[in-house]
Amino acid sequence: GENVEQHPSTLSVQEGDSAVIKCTYSDSASNYFPWYKQELGKRPQLIIDIRSNVGEKKDQRIAVTLNKTAKHFSLHITETQPEDSAVYFCAAASFKAAGNKLTFGGGTRVLVKP
Amino acid sequence: EAQVTQNPRYLITVTGKKLTVTCSQNMNHEYMSWYRQDPGLGLRQIYYSMNVEVTDKGDVPEGYKVSRKEKRNFPLILESPSPNQTSLYFCASSYTPTHEQYFGPGTRLTVT
Repeated sequence: GENVEQHPSTLSVQEGDSAVIKCTYSDSASNYFPWYKQELGKRPQLIIDIRSNVGEKKDQRIAVTLNKTAKHFSLHITETQPEDSAVYFCAAASFKAAGNKLTFGGGTRVLVKP
Repeated sequence: EAQVTQNPRYLITVTGKKLTVTCSQNMNHEYMSWYRQDPGLGLRQIYYSMNVEVTDKGDVPEGYKVSRKEKRNFPLILESPSPNQTSLYFCASSYTPTHEQYFGPGTRLTVT
């Protein structure tokens, strides 16, 4: 089955600096890679996703890159703000022919220091 | 309002006492899942369902059962709970596994 590894497990950055979280996956059939943000005591919410036919996607201060050959993808947050403090999860999924599971990484706790 | 609801939100029970956590969505989603969240382990999929009467095991199905008799509901059943099932549980729904997952508010379960 799919295995998703996420690093680092914790990340502390100064406000205004960039944060980068990296994930690797094992199943070459995976073709959908979402990122979820979970604030303290809240449910996970999607912040950005990328499909395997795209190498990079941006949405304001967040961007995701995908390297299918190396089987890794990364989340980049620029100009970090205190409200970016949360736990971030990457995930990998495929549909139908290759299975229907959604596998999450272990999470990264991001702390943005003012 | 589009939403996923779960009940109860908090539950403390004893070993061996059967319990059910309900999950309901109003978005006509076909794909529904249950996850458990434990510190350092992320979100692990317990069971998922592609549609009514179609369910399959996720990565950690042992000790759990599910059913999907109606499209909107996907209850999680613990027939004989044990302390190692103490966790935070999330239900989620989406059109497919490769679409945005909408999570419920979570159910914090403690088994003593």
